[in-house]
Amino acid sequence: AQSVSQHNHHVILSEAASLELGCNYSYGGTVNLFWYVQYPGQHLQLLLKYFSGDPLVKGIKGFEAEFIKSKFSFNLRKPSVQWSDTAEYFCAVNAPSSASKIIFGSGTRLSIRP
Amino acid sequence: EAQVTQNPRYLITVTGKKLTVTCSQNMNHEYMSWYRQDPGLGLRQIYYSMNVEVTDKGDVPEGYKVSRKEKRNFPLILESPSPNQTSLYFCASSLSYRAGANVLTFGAGSRLTVL
Repeated sequence: AQSVSQHNHHVILSEAASLELGCNYSYGGTVNLFWYVQYPGQHLQLLLKYFSGDPLVKGIKGFEAEFIKSKFSFNLRKPSVQWSDTAEYFCAVNAPSSASKIIFGSGTRLSIRP
Repeated sequence: EAQVTQNPRYLITVTGKKLTVTCSQNMNHEYMSWYRQDPGLGLRQIYYSMNVEVTDKGDVPEGYKVSRKEKRNFPLILESPSPNQTSLYFCASSLSYRAGANVLTFGAGSRLTVL
């Protein structure tokens, strides 16, 4: 069965620090990969996605993620975080062969100190 | 505005009292899904629907029912709610379940408390 692991449950950074949130999945075939973000009091929204092609994908608000197939990873990065990046971040995986299931990780809460 | 609308946003109920959480989307999306969000567990899929009259179980379907009689609506029914169904519920939709068209648009969430 597919699964998604986000090992960092809560990350605390100061403004301007660099960010990397880990995401690993367990599925050997072709996958679609997503990062969603949930700002305080708001609903989830798409941060970025990978379907195919260039494994380095760029999303909104300066975020990027790199798909490393050999490591089954899709880590989220940002060179310099801002206080407004305080949110919960969810990695999600869909295996097209299992069509309709999008599996989410347990989420990483990011707190930014002003 | 393209959106997924859930109601109610907040509900406190008692064990055994049937309730329905409505979900409606105005984007003509084929695919709709319900998730519950619990601390430390992330989002877990309850039920999904690939199109009208096509529904299937997700990972945690026990205690829930759904129906998809028309494309825009996908209500979540709790026939006999229990305290372990206290959670934050999200409805989501996407153009299709197919790769490339499966970016989810989420509703604002419905916080349910069962006493």
